[in-house]
Amino acid sequence: NAGVTQTPKFRILKIGQSMTLQCTQDMNHNYMYWYRQDPGMGLKLIYYSVGAGITDKGEVPNGYNVSRSTTEDFPLRLELAAPSQTSVYFCASSPENYEQFFGPGTRLTVL
Amino acid sequence: GNSVTQMEGPVTLSEEAFLTINCTYTATGYPSLFWYVQYPGEGLQLLLKATKADDKGSNKGFEATYRKETTSFHLEKGSVQVSDSAVYFCALSPQTGGFKTIFGAGTRLFVKA
Repeated sequence: NAGVTQTPKFRILKIGQSMTLQCTQDMNHNYMYWYRQDPGMGLKLIYYSVGAGITDKGEVPNGYNVSRSTTEDFPLRLELAAPSQTSVYFCASSPENYEQFFGPGTRLTVL
Repeated sequence: GNSVTQMEGPVTLSEEAFLTINCTYTATGYPSLFWYVQYPGEGLQLLLKATKADDKGSNKGFEATYRKETTSFHLEKGSVQVSDSAVYFCALSPQTGGFKTIFGAGTRLFVKA
């Protein structure tokens, strides 16, 4: 049981490049989330999903897109990277009882 | 709206000292309350939870009691260890729309040997 896995662990992008952060969970959770954590700060919700085919915006969705074609996968897409998107990105999932399970994070730097 | 306020850090303690990290919340109804811990370089992991008033969550020597009358969920540990050095997040899930957890800003704890 791997839980929530994220790839890559680290990435450096140039301004204007695009990339997809991958997230997979093997716990059959309906709910999945993407957060960003800036240095020394708390978590900000980017997007979330309550099931396959259903996604919605969180607090800070600008510059990001998501899709949820399966229960297991919830990729996050950055289309035109900007320095303001330098952050650590966490994917999480939860069953209906609200406790969230987090992945190890992806550290992204945009130069 | 729903919100979580926790004490600012960093908190620096010597090994075996008593720890309290304050957390208060604003929510309608009866939210579920959580403490998450984030060790350096890792994601958050659930430390303990409480789902109704007067419940006490406990794990690894940490405790927190759901106090409806004071809207609080303070984290305590009687004797901290160096390995407890981490960032601690208080969080709530509303009674309705429970999939949108609200996290506090986090409190960094340093424990010195």
